[in-house]
Formats: sequence, structure tokens, C-alpha cells
Amino acid sequence: GAVVSQHPSRVICKSGTSVKIECRSLDFQATTMFWYRQFPKQSLMLMATSNEGSKATYEQGVEKDKFLINHASLTLSTLTVTSAHPEDSSFYICSARDPLTNEKLFFGSGTQLSVL
Amino acid sequence: AQTVTQSQPEMSVQEAETVTLSCTYDTSESDYYLFWYKQPPSRQMILVIRQEAYKQQNATENRFSVNFQKAAKSFSLKISDSQLGDAAMYFCAYRGSGNTGKLIFGQGTTLQVKP
Repeated sequence: GAVVSQHPSRVICKSGTSVKIECRSLDFQATTMFWYRQFPKQSLMLMATSNEGSKATYEQGVEKDKFLINHASLTLSTLTVTSAHPEDSSFYICSARDPLTNEKLFFGSGTQLSVL
Repeated sequence: AQTVTQSQPEMSVQEAETVTLSCTYDTSESDYYLFWYKQPPSRQMILVIRQEAYKQQNATENRFSVNFQKAAKSFSLKISDSQLGDAAMYFCAYRGSGNTGKLIFGQGTTLQVKP
């Protein structure tokens, strides 16, 4: 079945640094990917929709300059948390839509970000 | 805007018994998809079951089945013969038919399975 790879699975960084998270679709081309954020024991909140070759669409309240999304190829979307602060510490999950099976979405394994 | 509500933060069930998780949603669309996802401690999201709104028949996947009441906007998940491996957080999710795949999740229900 389709697989979405997310890397790294865990990252610890110092406050003020930037962190890049990668989301790859391994055996299908994903024109659209989604980035979610999840706090402990809470729901997944959609941050943005990443569109290949165009600008990402951010949800209300999500700072686009803080969370930079790049979707330069059909198999890779990246989320960069810029100038990270402790409040950015969270679990970030990506998902990708396989256009050949429109209703099916595939999730990455997530990235736990801890900002010291 | 669409919303998804799970009113049971935590549920518990005895192994081999049956448990039902509740989910309600609100939408003005007539065509959409509903999902139940399982998130075990590994936090990998696993699709449990999917329901297309235009289908009247309730979806079933082995021990998992749904009770889809479109008029009431209710979408509950029934887990039969509960197993220890079913212990996880369960999320109900909505997706409109016209969008690119954006999911709206409920708050989640943590299911404990007692041996």
C-alpha cells in the first residue's frame, strides 16, 4: 500500500533555531499534502494545505512566516519551524492524498518537536 | 463551517466485550466522507473504517462497524470482541467531497481495554 515517510521522528532544538521536517510520498505522487499539529492527548489540528508548485494555504491563526511550507516536488513537502520557541513544542503529522484513490489519505509517522 | 464532536473523552471496555464510541458532526453539505482513525501509543494514524455519506448501508470492517445516521448527523463506531490491541485514541473525522482531502477531526476518545 501507499506509504508516507516523515523525518525526523524526534528532534530537540534550542530556542531561536529553525527546524525542518520532511514528508515524502514513497510510491505515489502527491499533489496535495497536509500538515497537522497535535498537543498531548488532544486532537489533530490542521495547520496548512501544501500544494505542489504553489503557495501553501494556511488555516486561520497559523503564522505563515513561522511555519514555512515548501512543496517543490510531487513527492516531498517540508515544514520549517522558524525561530522555534518552547510553545512550538508539539507533535507534527503530515498526510498525503493519493490522487489515484481520491478518498484515501496516508499519514506520516509524525515528528515530536521539543524546543528547549 | 463543519465541526466534529466526540463527547466521550475516555471509555473502557472489558476484553471480548463490545463498546460503542460516539461521534456527531455538523455540515451543510450533502455529500461527504466520514472516517474513524485509531492512534495507538506509537501515534501512527491508522484508518479503521470509512463511510461515504451517499451510501445508506453502514460500513463494516471485521470487528468494526458504524451506525451512520445521516439525518441525525451521527456516526458511531462499534467495536465487537474487543482486544487488548484495540486500546488507543480514536478520532472521528469528516471530509467534504469537494475539497482536496482536508480532514476535520473530533476531539478524540481514549479507549482502555481491560483484561
